[in-house]
Amino acid sequence: AQSVAQPEDQVNVAEGNPLTVKCTYSVSGNPYLFWYVQYPNRGLQFLLKYITGDNLVKGSYGFEAEFNKSQTSFHLKKPSALVSDSALYFCAVRDSDTGGFKTIFGAGTRLFVKA
Amino acid sequence: DVKVTQSSRYLVKRTGEKVFLECVQDMDHENMFWYRQDPGLGLRLIYFSYDVKMKEKGDIPEGYSVSREKKERFSLILESASTNQTSMYLCASRDRGREQYFGPGTRLTVT
Repeated sequence: AQSVAQPEDQVNVAEGNPLTVKCTYSVSGNPYLFWYVQYPNRGLQFLLKYITGDNLVKGSYGFEAEFNKSQTSFHLKKPSALVSDSALYFCAVRDSDTGGFKTIFGAGTRLFVKA
Repeated sequence: DVKVTQSSRYLVKRTGEKVFLECVQDMDHENMFWYRQDPGLGLRLIYFSYDVKMKEKGDIPEGYSVSREKKERFSLILESASTNQTSMYLCASRDRGREQYFGPGTRLTVT
């Protein structure tokens, strides 16, 4: 069965500092991995994805994520946080091998960037 | 840009009412999804559709039904609304193998 874990409910970081939002996953086959961001009273916006190829994936707004197969992780990172990055972040996984339609989302991590 | 629209941003209904939530996408995507979002639980899949008139149950289909008569439109129906269906409802669409595009959400309150 597929699953996603986001171990931190909230991450606090000062503006200008690097940030990391953690995600680990479990699938039986090869994963498609995604990060989405949700601003208050909005739907989710796609940030980046790993399908195949380079383990380091770059996405929108200066975010990047590293796929680590041995640790089954896909942590979201940014070198220098902005106050405007404060939002709710969701990691998601889909099993590419089973051809399933279902994407499993983590419970979300709230990022708070302090000026 | 892909656009997914939902019929209402906020909705207040009474217990027992029949509720229709509508979603429209403009990118000719085959797959469409309905989720509900609750604090601490993330997104949970209610139903999805992989083609017109085709539907599959997700993880929490009880109390809900769906309709997809046209490719661009996917409706979620609460046959008899209950207070435990108070939630944020998110619609999404996706092309094969790609990321999902979400609508702005409908915050439904059942009193």
